Amino acid sequence: QVQLVQTGAEVKRPGASVKVSCKASGYTFTGYYIHWVRQAPGQGLEWMAWLNPYSGASSSAQTFQGRVTMTWDTSISTAYMELSRLTSDDTAVYYCARVGFYFWYFDLWGPGTLVTVSS
Amino acid sequence: QSALTQPASMSGSPGQSITFSCTGTNSDVGYYDLVSWYQQHPGKAPKLMIYEVTKRPSGVSNRFSASKSGNTASLTISGLQAEDEADYYCCSYALSGNYVCGTGTKVTVL
Repeated sequence: QVQLVQTGAEVKRPGASVKVSCKASGYTFTGYYIHWVRQAPGQGLEWMAWLNPYSGASSSAQTFQGRVTMTWDTSISTAYMELSRLTSDDTAVYYCARVGFYFWYFDLWGPGTLVTVSS
Repeated sequence: QSALTQPASMSGSPGQSITFSCTGTNSDVGYYDLVSWYQQHPGKAPKLMIYEVTKRPSGVSNRFSASKSGNTASLTISGLQAEDEADYYCCSYALSGNYVCGTGTKVTVL
């Protein structure tokens, strides 16, 4: 079954970091980009970053540059997104999504990971 | 990169058609034919409905259609059904090499 599975909900203190995982199954992990998109409560989708797990190339929105780190482990078909220096504004559901090479749309989404930042 | 602008809400009666917009700039929506649309039901992940401005993935109802003119893309839902009640988001690839998504439109079936 083609799917992306994400870690469960996290609660973090302001100033801490969070690392969210996204495990791919049912397709060739290195054959697709992994993107991260977040959604604050009651808000729209905010694109964060992409990772090419084949080449290691990545890019992030200017808003997150210096705070977001993407890593991956090909042996377990898993991508990770770490966001540092958390504030309450980072409280959101974080989705990973798949984009095919030479395509520019998110054709498969993970279920999302709720990250709550609270003191 | 500013979010693409969408109307906050739209509504229609069952069987009617509704069309709503997604406005960007000449660096994203207006530059590439790479606008996609997503449907999101409460508590669920978004689902791809339209890609490359007008194309429908396999399994998506042909009641969903889309177009683009200049910096504005549009999504039309024909023969509105109760199951179409959801939030809809547009996203576009941008000149920067990154992506930008819309503010979202809440569709209500009266």
